[in-house]
Amino acid sequence: NAGVMQNPRHLVRRRGQEARLRCSPMKGHSHVYWYRQLPEEGLKFMVYLQKENIIDESGMPKERFSAEFPKEGPSILRIQQVVRGDSAAYFCASSPGLAGAGRTDTQYFGPGTRLTVL
Amino acid sequence: DQQVKQNSPSLSVQEGRISILNCDYTNSMFDYFLWYKKYPAEGPTFLISISSIKDKNEDGRFTVFLNKSAKHLSLHIVPSQPGDSAVYFCAASADDNTGKLIFGQGTTLQVKP
Repeated sequence: NAGVMQNPRHLVRRRGQEARLRCSPMKGHSHVYWYRQLPEEGLKFMVYLQKENIIDESGMPKERFSAEFPKEGPSILRIQQVVRGDSAAYFCASSPGLAGAGRTDTQYFGPGTRLTVL
Repeated sequence: DQQVKQNSPSLSVQEGRISILNCDYTNSMFDYFLWYKKYPAEGPTFLISISSIKDKNEDGRFTVFLNKSAKHLSLHIVPSQPGDSAVYFCAASADDNTGKLIFGQGTTLQVKP
């Protein structure tokens, strides 16, 4: 009965490198959300995905950031050409889907990936 | 534009007493509210939620109250325990088929033995 899994837990990259963050949702969950937490701030929504579909990416920076949730395998958040301002904790959450009348169910979070850009 | 606000960055309470954490929101489209608890270096853990059709929801030591007219909700923890010491986040979502959560900045609760 594993929860949401994220790896790696810690990731160090130099400026200009690529960062790939992985998220495996809870068993039976088909909805994945990515959030970012900067130091001393709350979590900020980035993107909402279902299998093979991006539903809402209104919180994603327009450049360098992308996300996918393939039919098989984990969801991936990819950051190209990282800059120091990308240093943050990135959290993935999953939910089973719609609880009725368009209401999305409670989201359960993974432990996060802490990205440090040198 | 901070749509969900937790105006108290920190709260200190004696063990056994009541902890009251507050949250205000501005978006009248929000209709589902959640509280999460977060320890350092861990992900947020879901605590309790409330739909806008209710004004109170209780789960053990945790009770959430919702005042829609004031756009205010609060989390009551009674009795408080040292293990409750953590950062508490209030979150809200609108019924817009996205389910994305809008978080407050968090309140750090310290429960002293």
